This record gives sequence, structure tokens and C-alpha cells, in this order.
Amino acid sequence: NAGVTQTPKFQVLKTGQSMTLQCAQDMNHEYMSWYRQDPGMGLRLIHYSVGAGITDQGEVPNGYNVSRSTTEDFPLRLLSAAPSQTSVYFCASSLGPPNQPQHFGDGTRLSIL
Amino acid sequence: GENVEQHPSTLSVQEGDSAVIKCTYSDSASNYFPWYKQELGKRPQLIIDIRSNVGEKKDQRIAVTLNKTAKHFSLHITETQPEDSAVYFCAASPNDYKLSFGAGTTVTVRA
Repeated sequence: NAGVTQTPKFQVLKTGQSMTLQCAQDMNHEYMSWYRQDPGMGLRLIHYSVGAGITDQGEVPNGYNVSRSTTEDFPLRLLSAAPSQTSVYFCASSLGPPNQPQHFGDGTRLSIL
Repeated sequence: GENVEQHPSTLSVQEGDSAVIKCTYSDSASNYFPWYKQELGKRPQLIIDIRSNVGEKKDQRIAVTLNKTAKHFSLHITETQPEDSAVYFCAASPNDYKLSFGAGTTVTVRA
């Protein structure tokens, strides 16, 4: 049982480049979410999904897109990377809505030059 | 939306002493309050949670208290040990599909 798997673990991009952060879970969880973690700011919700085909915005959605074509996968796309998007990104999943324990992936450390 | 404030931002305690972290929330509809621990370079992991129909919950050396009237909740760690050194996050979830986190508290346990 792998839990929540994020790839890549590290990535360096140039300003203006696009990329996709991958997130997959094998626990048949309906709820999945993406957070960014910046020093002194805790975890901020970017986007979330309550099930396949359903996504919605969190606190800081600008510059990011998501899709949920399957229960298992929830990729996060950076459309045109900016230095302000330098952060550590965590994907999380739970069986139901977020009033359930969240299972986090190991994170992706992203640097935008 | 929900706004969660967490204090203090850093906390240094002597091994064996207690540590207390406090959080306040703004949305009276919030009904779920988890605490996550994040060791350096690792993922956040749930250590304890409490729901709005309960005032206190304990799990060995860890306890959480909730005051719904004042809209604040606290994490208490007793008999601290070096492995308790980490960043701790509180969070609150109202009756929608979002979880809002506090900014975190860096706890250092001095040997």
C-alpha cells in the first residue's frame, strides 16, 4: 500500500515554463487536495476535488490548473511558472470531506528561476 | 472563509517540561480541528483531532482542548522528549470542503 505518491520530488524551472506535478493515491479516497507550503505561512489550499470529474478552487488557485479524470490521480499544472510559485507542494487525500484525517504525500520541492 | 491563527510561532522547552500551542478560528461553523506534526523534510502527519461535540481528547502524552464559545483550541504535550521537536500545525474545517491551516509552531526540545 503506497498511500499518496508525488512525483517529482524536486524540480527546477525557468520563468514561463509549464509543468505538471503528479499525485496518485491507492486508497480509493474520494477527496484530494493540493497545498503549497511557504515559510511562516503554513499550508495553503490551492485546489481540491471531492471525486472524479469534480474540482474546485481553494485559497490560492491563480496560476494553477487541476483535473480529476480518475479517482486515483489528481495532477497539478503550472501554466506559466513564476518565481512566486517557488514552494513545497503537498498533495493530500482522505476518504471523505476534509473533516477526516488527511494523508499527505512526501511533497515536491519546486524552484522557479 | 475560515481564518486560523496559531501562537506561538516558535517554542523552546526543556526536556520533560510541557508544551502548549494555541489556535483561534473565525468561522463558528467549523466542526473539526486536527493537529499535524511535520518533522524536518517530511510530510505532515496527523497526531490528534477533535470534533466540536467534544471538549477534550487525550492520546498518551498529547491532549487537545476545544472552547467553542471562545473559538479557540489548544495542543498540550506533556513530558516532552527530543523526538517531539518538529513543526506543529493546527487546522479547522467548516461545513464545506476546505481545511484551513495555521502558520505553524516550531517546537524545539532542549536536552
